[in-house]
Amino acid sequence: ETAVFQTPNYHVTQVGNEVSFNCKQTLGHDTMYWYKQDSKKLLKIMFSYNNKQLIVNETVPRRFSPQSSDKAHLNLRIKSVEPEDSAVYLCASSAGTGGRNYAEQFFGPGTRLTVL
Amino acid sequence: GDSVTQTEGLVTLTKGLPVMLNCTYQTTYSPFLFWYVQHLNEAPKLLLKSSTDNKRTEHQGFYATLHKSSSSFHLQKSSVQLSDSALYFCAWLSGSFNKLTFGAGTRLAVCP
Repeated sequence: ETAVFQTPNYHVTQVGNEVSFNCKQTLGHDTMYWYKQDSKKLLKIMFSYNNKQLIVNETVPRRFSPQSSDKAHLNLRIKSVEPEDSAVYLCASSAGTGGRNYAEQFFGPGTRLTVL
Repeated sequence: GDSVTQTEGLVTLTKGLPVMLNCTYQTTYSPFLFWYVQHLNEAPKLLLKSSTDNKRTEHQGFYATLHKSSSSFHLQKSSVQLSDSALYFCAWLSGSFNKLTFGAGTRLAVCP
């Protein structure tokens, strides 16, 4: 099956802990993204990687750090989580960034983070 | 600055009625607009996309036309079904690095 996969589905943790989320795509795409979807369902891009290189880094607190081992994997680590980090984190991928033919983004099912 | 606006937070309709979800945008670039649909506890999925002025694009009974004159890309369907109940996002593609900027989303609730 070709798709975007995320683990875990859910994670509950306490303020100050470190968490890590994984994303893998089997679509053969070159570009991957992390989005945050908050409790009001607003979707905002956080990071984007193209062939393991960071290309988009929105205004995100420094406790968030993406990690890419190869173009099929993009993980997200959060050091010392805060209550406002509670959200669904969605991973996505697209064929590339070189023009509109590559524009469609395919999303994973998300990881729901709850910070107590 | 560049932005996408969806004016309705919630639209409630009876099955079989037509629907139009509004989307307007503001950009200095050539627009490329998308509609994504997100069912409950699922991933957003692409529904429609367009960068061609005044050309209707259709998929799964939904359709939209990009109108550059009015900066709009409204989503329509002639007869909604219960399965259409979902969150609908309009999004705009920035030319740089395929960055998608999403509107706030419109929840469509279809009643029997």
